[in-house]
Amino acid sequence: GAVVSQHPSRVICKSGTSVKIECRSLDFQATTMFWYRQFPKKSLMLMATSNEGSKATYEQGVEKDKFLINHASLTLSTLTVTSAHPEDSSFYICSARGGTSGNTGAQYFGPGTRLTVL
Amino acid sequence: LAKTTQPISMDSYEGQEVNITCSHNNIATNDYITWYQQFPSQGPRFIIQGYKTKVTNEVASLFIPADRKSSTLSLPRVSLSDTAVYYCLVGLGPGGSYIPTFGRGTSLIVHP
Repeated sequence: GAVVSQHPSRVICKSGTSVKIECRSLDFQATTMFWYRQFPKKSLMLMATSNEGSKATYEQGVEKDKFLINHASLTLSTLTVTSAHPEDSSFYICSARGGTSGNTGAQYFGPGTRLTVL
Repeated sequence: LAKTTQPISMDSYEGQEVNITCSHNNIATNDYITWYQQFPSQGPRFIIQGYKTKVTNEVASLFIPADRKSSTLSLPRVSLSDTAVYYCLVGLGPGGSYIPTFGRGTSLIVHP
């Protein structure tokens, strides 16, 4: 149990385009989802927290108009990188929290999405 | 500011037991401690979670002292495939909000 999927796993796009990343909790309902980005050999950096049906809460320094987050249901959240530029190239990881009996609130992570902006 | 502190790196050999300690001096009263394993270009994988004393599952044990200001992840008889970065995570902040920020993690290298 507690499986989180992400799609796509890898995307290459041209500068100026927008990219949407999907995050799904496959076998539990995620009351809260989180989005992280990670640069090579660095730790995960929390970008934003989203609760189903409400606006996301962004961490300091993260542009909400650039990184659009939608948490449409208890199993789906999307991150859209708008007008992507090369400096947005990174590894984006989502996680989901909340779920089945026995889950004491642990987060479960997706496999990540490698974004490369040319 | 990271809520946790871990050694940056550790080395071990196949078959040995590895203990990784994490400090979380300001852990909230009702917060849990969760440990993750991460391989390059993959999302973190849940290893174990605990609140106090000792928790054991099929892959690891977690030891938490009474004051809960630290925790120790114990990996029995490591193999080469255990080479990874290990993170401990505590999430509750002031007021009970859950803000799961990661520290730097511990890079474990297992040698033949």
